[in-house]
Amino acid sequence: NAGVTQTPKFRILKIGQSMTLQCTQDMNHNYMYWYRQDPGMGLKLIYYSVGAGITDKGEVPNGYNVSRSTTEDFPLRLELAAPSQTSVYFCASNVILTGEGNQPQHFGDGTRLSIL
Amino acid sequence: RKEVEQDPGPFNVPEGATVAFNCTYSNSASQSFFWYRQDCRKEPKLLMSVYSSGNEDGRFTAQLNRASQYISLLIRDSKLSDSATYLCVVNEDNYGQNFVFGPGTRLSVLP
Repeated sequence: NAGVTQTPKFRILKIGQSMTLQCTQDMNHNYMYWYRQDPGMGLKLIYYSVGAGITDKGEVPNGYNVSRSTTEDFPLRLELAAPSQTSVYFCASNVILTGEGNQPQHFGDGTRLSIL
Repeated sequence: RKEVEQDPGPFNVPEGATVAFNCTYSNSASQSFFWYRQDCRKEPKLLMSVYSSGNEDGRFTAQLNRASQYISLLIRDSKLSDSATYLCVVNEDNYGQNFVFGPGTRLSVLP
């Protein structure tokens, strides 16, 4: 199993450009998440998905969009890049079974994004 | 407001030392607890889950005190390879979205 795979690993964007960060997992996890991590700070949840076709906002969703057309893929889209979106983006997944304790999240190795 | 707080660090310790990190959480209804480690510019990786009775994995021991709402991580016989940032993660219910990450405590193990 590859686990959680993110592409690209690095990207530089100009202000106002758009791009999609790709995330795919091969563990058949129902839950997937997007986080951003600014230098010296903790992870903040952008969006999450509980299964194909279902997404919801996290703590910092403004400026981002997501979709979940399949169990495996959970892309994150930036429509109008702004300098405040310079960050490291992590995708994660786990399995949540009703009535059971949460399983830990598995993370991709991140996308480092700079907006200039 | 959801909050997870950790020792601010950094901790600089010699090889072989024992070091302990503390983490407090604000939501008394929190359900699941984890310690992750994060190496510089890398993704977080699960170190261990934290169980109510406490648990041990080799040199690492995790404790949970629900009454005082804190979690601890003890590392014995520190190795150079233990140098990393340690993240306390609290899940506030049995659904996926409420994972709250602490800011992390940085550990440097010195030769």
